[in-house]
Amino acid sequence: GQQVMQIPQYQHVQEGEDFTTYCNSSTTLSNIQWYKQRPGGHPVFLIQLVKSGEVKKQKRLTFQFGEAKKNSSLHITATQTTDVGTYFCAVDSGSARQLTFGSGTQLTVLP
Amino acid sequence: DGGITQSPKYLFRKEGQNVTLSCEQNLNHDAMYWYRQDPGQGLRLIYYSQIVNDFQKGDIAEGYSVSREKKESFPLTVTSAQKNPTAFYLCASRKGHLTSNYGYTFGSGTRLTVV
Repeated sequence: GQQVMQIPQYQHVQEGEDFTTYCNSSTTLSNIQWYKQRPGGHPVFLIQLVKSGEVKKQKRLTFQFGEAKKNSSLHITATQTTDVGTYFCAVDSGSARQLTFGSGTQLTVLP
Repeated sequence: DGGITQSPKYLFRKEGQNVTLSCEQNLNHDAMYWYRQDPGQGLRLIYYSQIVNDFQKGDIAEGYSVSREKKESFPLTVTSAQKNPTAFYLCASRKGHLTSNYGYTFGSGTRLTVV
């Protein structure tokens, strides 16, 4: 199935700083999804990207899908303490039967 | 409101025991999934089911079993053959099957500890 590498594994930022996490694949992806998991909670679906070069925004969050559809990023502008959590990317297995999740980036926001 | 209910929230198991984790959804979703999450780790797929009475092994199915007798229910049994069962177990569902156009909806999870 599809494999995806996510970096960094951990990121500590001061409140108000920006944050970016990246997912990279060696193969072309059909789409990519992003999830957020708060500490002690469960993953929550944020967004899906499908088109080459696609950019989508949700308030302070910007999601990008690479032109070659092999990488994606999630950027948070001016982080807040409510952004704390682990952000996962997830990609289709290839048969569209299930998702493979990246290892996640754990974001800590220091007040 | 529609959603996925996992129970119990916390579960303690003695070595050698089988335990069953419940997962019920009222979203009318076709596909259901079980993932395992270890501390500080990502999600690893245990089993998944696209339709009733059909399910497939994921990446780490050894020591686990499932059933899908009803669309709404996808219970996971952790057997005594699972050597390291202490983990956070997440159930998820997705609208449609054989399609990747929708995100997963996750339950709140069950934390299983072997004592």
